[in-house]
Amino acid sequence: ETGVTQSPTHLIKTRGQQVTLRCSSQSGHNTVSWYQQALGQGPQFIFQYYREEENGRGNFPPRFSGLQFPNYSSELNVNALELDDSALYLCASSFGVEGTDTQYFGPGTRLTVL
Amino acid sequence: EDQVTQSPEALRLQEGESSSLNCSYTVSGLRGLFWYRQDPGKGPEFLFTLYSAGEEKEKERLKATLTKKESFLHITAPKPEDSATYLCAVRALSGGYNKLIFGAGTRLAVHP
Repeated sequence: ETGVTQSPTHLIKTRGQQVTLRCSSQSGHNTVSWYQQALGQGPQFIFQYYREEENGRGNFPPRFSGLQFPNYSSELNVNALELDDSALYLCASSFGVEGTDTQYFGPGTRLTVL
Repeated sequence: EDQVTQSPEALRLQEGESSSLNCSYTVSGLRGLFWYRQDPGKGPEFLFTLYSAGEEKEKERLKATLTKKESFLHITAPKPEDSATYLCAVRALSGGYNKLIFGAGTRLAVHP
């Protein structure tokens, strides 16, 4: 059983650019959630995808968007990057949108915006 | 508003010195409280899930307990390899989706 993987590991962008982060779910999982973790803080919920549809969003602006593919892998896209977008971006996969499922996290992508 | 508060922010222990980390929460309709361990620059690693007051879970030197308002992570005779940030999260079922609300974490350093 393979765990959650994310790519790239690190990324450096400049303000105003766009970025795409990728996530492969753990085998057997059909739900993906994305979180942003600033230095010294806990992860903050961005949104969740279940069966290729966004079904929940945290307090993040529309320039944060995503996709989930038929194989349940996912992308996080951020447009018009701002300095405050510098953070560790975490993807978590689970099975089912409700219930007692546990979210398992990938290693994260460290994004630096200059 | 759903909220999770962890204390202390940082904890320094000598090897073998047992202690407890606290996680207090306010959430409408708790559907699970989770403990994760996070090493620097890495993703959170799942430790425990607790669902109801009075429940306890153990794994090696760690034991998690849950009351109606808080959870404790007890660390017995810690070793230097237990050094990490420990994150507490609650599941809030809002609008039909599975959202975790995290605390800021407790940074634990265990010295030989």
